[in-house]
Amino acid sequence: SQTIHQWPATLVQPVGSPLSLECTVEGTSNPNLYWYRQAAGRGLQLLFYSVGIGQISSEVPQNLSASRPQDRQFILSSKKLLLSDSGFYLCAWRRSFNQPQHFGDGTRLSIL
Amino acid sequence: AQTVTQSQPEMSVQEAETVTLSCTYDTSESDYYLFWYKQPPSRQMILVIRQEAYKQQNATENRFSVNFQKAAKSFSLKISDSQLGDAAMYFCAAPVTQGGSEKLVFGKGTKLTVNP
Repeated sequence: SQTIHQWPATLVQPVGSPLSLECTVEGTSNPNLYWYRQAAGRGLQLLFYSVGIGQISSEVPQNLSASRPQDRQFILSSKKLLLSDSGFYLCAWRRSFNQPQHFGDGTRLSIL
Repeated sequence: AQTVTQSQPEMSVQEAETVTLSCTYDTSESDYYLFWYKQPPSRQMILVIRQEAYKQQNATENRFSVNFQKAAKSFSLKISDSQLGDAAMYFCAAPVTQGGSEKLVFGKGTKLTVNP
């Protein structure tokens, strides 16, 4: 069966510090991968998605970036965090078009 | 613009009663799936049910069922015999294609409260 791992679960970072959130999927190959951000009590904002290694599409211009160094690994990064980067970050994967997305447990990111 | 609209920010239901959450969407896809997700306080996103647009029969998963009206682009979720554990945020999702890539767009969610 397929599983998705996302870490860390919680992160507290100072303004201006770098960020690296990692997501890996097991049990499938060539998944479509997604990074979302969710503000408290709000909907999901798609940040990045990837349909293959090295292929990244950005939805919202910001100081975040994403990379896919391996088929089942998706990384969300920032060189310098802003206060507005606080939120709940979710990684998701799906097999292909018209398949449901499956989500990781999320990362609570607090910027101080 | 291809959008997903949940017009009810909050809903409440008595335990054991039935509640319907609304969702409308706008997609240019001709053959697609629609999804409802549940997000409890733990904030995990859990797939509740999915509907194939080319099937006229409404999907059902135990106490959860869909009222799918393709022409009206409406996709509501009915929860029967509501339980305290059903309390959560519910999001509907529909596919959109932009720049040659297909992705899911989520509504802003409906917060469901279940009263004992």
